[in-house]
Amino acid sequence: NAGVTQTPKFQVLKTGQSMTLQCAQDMNHEYMSWYRQDPGMGLRLIHYSVGAGITDQGEVPNGYNVSRSTTEDFPLRLLSAAPSQTSVYFCASRPDQGNLYGYTFGSGTRLTVV
Amino acid sequence: LAKTTQPISMDSYEGQEVNITCSHNNIATNDYITWYQQFPSQGPRFIIQGYKTKVTNEVASLFIPADRKSSTLSLPRVSLSDTAVYYCLVGDPAGNNRKLIWGLGTSLAVNP
Repeated sequence: NAGVTQTPKFQVLKTGQSMTLQCAQDMNHEYMSWYRQDPGMGLRLIHYSVGAGITDQGEVPNGYNVSRSTTEDFPLRLLSAAPSQTSVYFCASRPDQGNLYGYTFGSGTRLTVV
Repeated sequence: LAKTTQPISMDSYEGQEVNITCSHNNIATNDYITWYQQFPSQGPRFIIQGYKTKVTNEVASLFIPADRKSSTLSLPRVSLSDTAVYYCLVGDPAGNNRKLIWGLGTSLAVNP
């Protein structure tokens, strides 16, 4: 049972490049989310999904796209990378909306945009 | 949205009990209180969750007074490995997680 797996762990992009951050969970969790964490700020929600085929915007969605074609995978796409997107990105999942045991987080992707 | 207030940092020594208090004055009826722990270069890890009174697990205890406007995470006999950032969150587990607000947390330093 691997939990939540994020790839890559580190990435450097040039301004304007695009890329996809991968997130996969093997716990059959319905709820998945993407957060970014910046120094001096708490985790901020980018996008989330309540199940396959259903996604919605979080607090800071601009510049990011998501899709949820399967229960297991929830990739985050940066359309045209900007230095302001330099951050640590975390993917998280939980079983369902009524779960009382919190989220399981991945180990993060550290992204630098130059 | 239920906002939380926690101390920015705390210091302790090995073997001591540490209590971290979180204030959440506008907690809603359906909201639960959840605490997470985060080590450097790792994602947050769920510690404990409760609605009222006291909850205890193998890691910590959570004390919630009757008015639920605050809560206290208690870590018994801390060790160096408990040095981490601790986050208090308030929200409805069955609700939209867009409403979960992550503050800066409390940075706990455990000294030898």
